[in-house]
Amino acid sequence: KAGVTQTPRYLIKTRGQQVTLSCSPISGHRSVSWYQQTPGQGLQFLFEYFSETQRNKGNFPGRFSGRQFSNSRSEMNVSTLELGDSALYLCASSPAQGYEQYFGPGTRLTVT
Amino acid sequence: GQNIDQPTEMTATEGAIVQINCTYQTSGFNGLFWYQQHAGEAPTFLSYNVLDGLEEKGRFSSFLSRSKGYSYLLLKELQMKDSASYLCAVVAGIDYKLSFGAGTTVTVRA
Repeated sequence: KAGVTQTPRYLIKTRGQQVTLSCSPISGHRSVSWYQQTPGQGLQFLFEYFSETQRNKGNFPGRFSGRQFSNSRSEMNVSTLELGDSALYLCASSPAQGYEQYFGPGTRLTVT
Repeated sequence: GQNIDQPTEMTATEGAIVQINCTYQTSGFNGLFWYQQHAGEAPTFLSYNVLDGLEEKGRFSSFLSRSKGYSYLLLKELQMKDSASYLCAVVAGIDYKLSFGAGTTVTVRA
């Protein structure tokens, strides 16, 4: 089975722009979660989608949003980028909630 | 939310044993995961504990005490490739929300 894939792998944006990141889960997995990882804050939960519905949400501002499509692929969007949004964004999929999560390689976002 | 604590750093010698502790405070506890993350890579699953006791998987073992809000990951016969960050993560609530600790960076020295 192919693993979790994320595109793009690297991205450089300027403040004020918006960005969309994509995640394709492992075939058959219906749960997709997004995380932000920075050296100072560790792995912070953004949101989780299951069967196209947002099931959980972390403590991030409304500039961070996401969605899941009928094929379980997911996208997250960050609008009005700030310097502090520079981070590694990880996507993880699992067959259902509460199961082991499989992580993608991440998208390294740099905001200048 | 969950309060998850684990040491920031640990150093050990090749061939030795290291125990990484994780304490948590949460309501509606469902289970606890341990993940390994090498620098520049994504986290990979190591273990999942739901019930009290020790789960052994080769050189790695994980222990859980639900009543004490405590878990540990035991790494035996340390190898250089075990140098990585080890993340403790708690699943809680009816919505199975997963929360990660800040991670413990383990450095294995020759």
